[in-house]
Amino acid sequence: KQEVTQIPAALSVPEGENLVLNCSFTDSAIYNLQWFRQDPGKGLTSLLLIQSSQREQTSGRLNASLDKSSGRSTLYIAASQPGDSATYLCAVSPTGNQFYFGTGTSLTVIP
Amino acid sequence: DGGITQSPKYLFRKEGQNVTLSCEQNLNHDAMYWYRQDPGQGLRLIYYSQIVNDFQKGDIAEGYSVSREKKESFPLTVTSAQKNPTAFYLCASSRTGSTSYEQYFGPGTRLTVT
Repeated sequence: KQEVTQIPAALSVPEGENLVLNCSFTDSAIYNLQWFRQDPGKGLTSLLLIQSSQREQTSGRLNASLDKSSGRSTLYIAASQPGDSATYLCAVSPTGNQFYFGTGTSLTVIP
Repeated sequence: DGGITQSPKYLFRKEGQNVTLSCEQNLNHDAMYWYRQDPGQGLRLIYYSQIVNDFQKGDIAEGYSVSREKKESFPLTVTSAQKNPTAFYLCASSRTGSTSYEQYFGPGTRLTVT
């Protein structure tokens, strides 16, 4: 069974800093990987989806990379803002129709 | 606006009662999913359905039941057999037969059983 780990569990940075969130998974045979954002008490908002054949995806200040061979993905956030404060979740799909989630990284951006 | 709706936002029930959580989507997605989220744990898959009148168990299906009579709707029933039903329940949907299977989530229902 796929195990997904996100380290650190919590991160606090000053506004304007660039930061990297990490996601690791145990089985490199994945179909795709998706990054989400979750605000307290809310549902998940999709940020980026990376297909298994891709190495990275970009959306605005966000860049996600995927290295299947090492079982790792990173989410890079440039020029962080207080509005970026949320929990960021990584999810891996081995088949395309089931996702395994990490426990998330809680990000606080200090003004 | 296209999206996924879940109702109610908060639900309170007495132990021993069955309760049904609603999930509706107007994204024309074939696949729908139910997840459970507990503090300190990642989302765990309860059930998923890729087509009307068909569904599969996820990792933690015991004590839950679903139906998929319409493409737009995928209700989840939490039965009295579920030992720890208090949790945050999230519904999601995605396309199928494509290369992405990107999942979109509803706002969630917080269930408290006492």
